[in-house]
Amino acid sequence: DIQMTQSPSSLSASVGDRVTITCQASQGFSNSVNWYQQRSGKAPKLLIHDASNLETGVPSRFSGSRSGTDFTFTISGLQPEDIATYYCQHYDNLLVTFGPGTKVDLK
Amino acid sequence: EGQLVQSGPEVKKSGESLKISCKGSGYSFTSYWIGWVRQMPGQGLEWMGIIYPGDSDTRYSPSFQGQVSISVDKSVNTAYLHWSGLQPSDSAMYYCARKPPGIASRATVFDLWGQGTLVSVSS
Repeated sequence: DIQMTQSPSSLSASVGDRVTITCQASQGFSNSVNWYQQRSGKAPKLLIHDASNLETGVPSRFSGSRSGTDFTFTISGLQPEDIATYYCQHYDNLLVTFGPGTKVDLK
Repeated sequence: EGQLVQSGPEVKKSGESLKISCKGSGYSFTSYWIGWVRQMPGQGLEWMGIIYPGDSDTRYSPSFQGQVSISVDKSVNTAYLHWSGLQPSDSAMYYCARKPPGIASRATVFDLWGQGTLVSVSS
C-alpha cells in the first residue's frame, strides 16, 4: 500500500504569511494527488486536483506543485477564513489514501 | 452541481446493526462513484471504500474489508454503509463523497461531499 506522509502536522501563521505543506509518497506514482480543506465541524472541500490544478471557484492564493514524490501545497497570503486542517489524498486504481492532515491556525 | 444528503445521527449499543444512507440529487447518480470516509473524533480522514451505482462495482480499503459493507439502490439514488455488529470503536463521523468516473483529469477526486453522519456506539 502507498503511504502518504504529511508535514508539518500543525503550524501557526499570521495573516498574510505564506504557508507551505508537503506530502510525500512512499513510492513513485502519477500526479494523482489532490488537496482538501476541512474547516472545523464541516465536510472536506476539494481545493487542488492532480497536483497543481485549482478547482473552479477556489481563490488563486491556493496552489499546488510536484517534485518527484514530493507534493507541495501553498497558501500565498494566509487569510482568517483559511484556518482549517488540510489533507492530501492519493488515488491509484480505486484505492484511496489520505495524508494525516496539517492543522493551520493563526499566530 | 449536485447534492449528497446523509441520514441523521445515530446512537447505538455494541453489537447492534446499523445502515446509514447517502442520497444523491441534481446529477446523474449512476454515473459517479460514491465513496465513504471515516473521521474518528479529533482524527484525520480514512477512506473506507467506494461503489459505482451503475453496476454496484465495489472496492474496500484493506483496513475496512470485512468490517462494513457498502451497497446502493439506484432506484432511489441512495448509497448505504452497513455494520452487522457495531463496536464502540466505530464511533465516528462518516462522510459520503462523489468521485467522477473515468481516468481523465479530476477523475481521482472527491468533488462533492455529504454533510456527514455522526455514529455513537456505547458498550
